[in-house]
Amino acid sequence: DTEVTQTPKHLVMGMTNKKSLKCEQHMGHRAMYWYKQKAKKPPELMFVYSYEKLSINESVPSRFSPECPNSSLLNLHLHALQPEDSALYLCASSQAGQGPNQPQHFGDGTRLSIL
Amino acid sequence: AQSVAQPEDQVNVAEGNPLTVKCTYSVSGNPYLFWYVQYPNRGLQFLLKYITGDNLVKGSYGFEAEFNKSQTSFHLKKPSALVSDSALYFCAVRDDISSGSARQLTFGSGTQLTVLP
Repeated sequence: DTEVTQTPKHLVMGMTNKKSLKCEQHMGHRAMYWYKQKAKKPPELMFVYSYEKLSINESVPSRFSPECPNSSLLNLHLHALQPEDSALYLCASSQAGQGPNQPQHFGDGTRLSIL
Repeated sequence: AQSVAQPEDQVNVAEGNPLTVKCTYSVSGNPYLFWYVQYPNRGLQFLLKYITGDNLVKGSYGFEAEFNKSQTSFHLKKPSALVSDSALYFCAVRDDISSGSARQLTFGSGTQLTVLP
């Protein structure tokens, strides 16, 4: 069982819909991440939150909007997505401020399909 | 700048035989190296990380990794492969002198390991 929980596991949406992906961790981690992963490819970093503040946005289109309501929760709001946005969206968390040797812990992802 | 290379897209090994999944890296500062495994329809699972000074690092499920500074490599190994080890393996690196997004994890392209019964 993973310690990072993502919901929903699967999501199918039309290009005009608005939906949200949710991520929750209770490991006391203060760094949280969103990644996008295409099949058989490495994850691509989208956003990094550190102590609930957005610290990195990897030039992600504005149709993706992250939110970190508290230290345990991370959301990704989706609006007007394109078919090429279909992918596995992974959330991860790690210790913050403890040096670069802290591993990230990943959830099982949300598989998103855009019709 | 940092980068990591996994030269083999696919590795096949017979069950019970030793396995090696290769990884080489390039960093500006000190390397911080990680191995992750991804099973179908799952997220990435942390296997092990390099600990400074330890050339052989032991991790989960009987995996270990051999660090070689002169060859800038961090190869993943297991003495006796299991069919259940079949999965996608990612090597990742970060350094201690980059800043901003360059300081984040850089993943290799991944190696699909298939263990044949």
